[in-house]
Amino acid sequence: DSGVTQTPKHLITATGQRVTLRCSPRSGDLSVYWYQQSLDQGLQFLIQYYNGEERAKGNILERFSAQQFPDLHSELNLSSLELGDSALYFCASSAMTGTYEQYFGPGTRLTVT
Amino acid sequence: AQTVTQSQPEMSVQEAETVTLSCTYDTSESDYYLFWYKQPPSRQMILVIRQEAYKQQNATENRFSVNFQKAAKSFSLKISDSQLGDAAMYFCAYRGLSSGNTPLVFGKGTRLSVIA
Repeated sequence: DSGVTQTPKHLITATGQRVTLRCSPRSGDLSVYWYQQSLDQGLQFLIQYYNGEERAKGNILERFSAQQFPDLHSELNLSSLELGDSALYFCASSAMTGTYEQYFGPGTRLTVT
Repeated sequence: AQTVTQSQPEMSVQEAETVTLSCTYDTSESDYYLFWYKQPPSRQMILVIRQEAYKQQNATENRFSVNFQKAAKSFSLKISDSQLGDAAMYFCAYRGLSSGNTPLVFGKGTRLSVIA
């Protein structure tokens, strides 16, 4: 158990809909990262938050947005969903010091039908 | 931008044998970390081993070890005494340190099969 939690584990929705994925980082970690893993693909970085502020953006679509709340949990909002958005979405967290390891949550499997 | 390349989409190894997974990366940074992550069928991402670029000594974690060649920008993973539970996707990842707490850059992965 990495200490990072993600809900829900599975999500099935229709095209055009909007969903919210939730992540709670490890205790004490201020940085949260979101990654997308499509079928048989590597992980693509979407967005990073540090202590409530956006720190870095990767290949995140304009239909996607995220935020980090004062209690440090983060939400990834996906709107106007398309079939191609079906993927495994991971959240990871890390401390600002030390070995800079990122600890991954179990992921949310999103299926768009 | 940094890139990570894993040239072996699939590998197989006999149980109890040794296998090496390859990874190369491209960066202009001098200070960074490299990681190998394992993703079993459960899809959980599990950190296997890490290497700090400033350390010349290769990292070792039980049956897992790396061959880090900084000048060649190569970072291979050796798994000794392979076990059935080692069957998984393995991802090589890079993390630069020049601009603070940066995201990971992943390779596309190598699928490892272990044959009993």
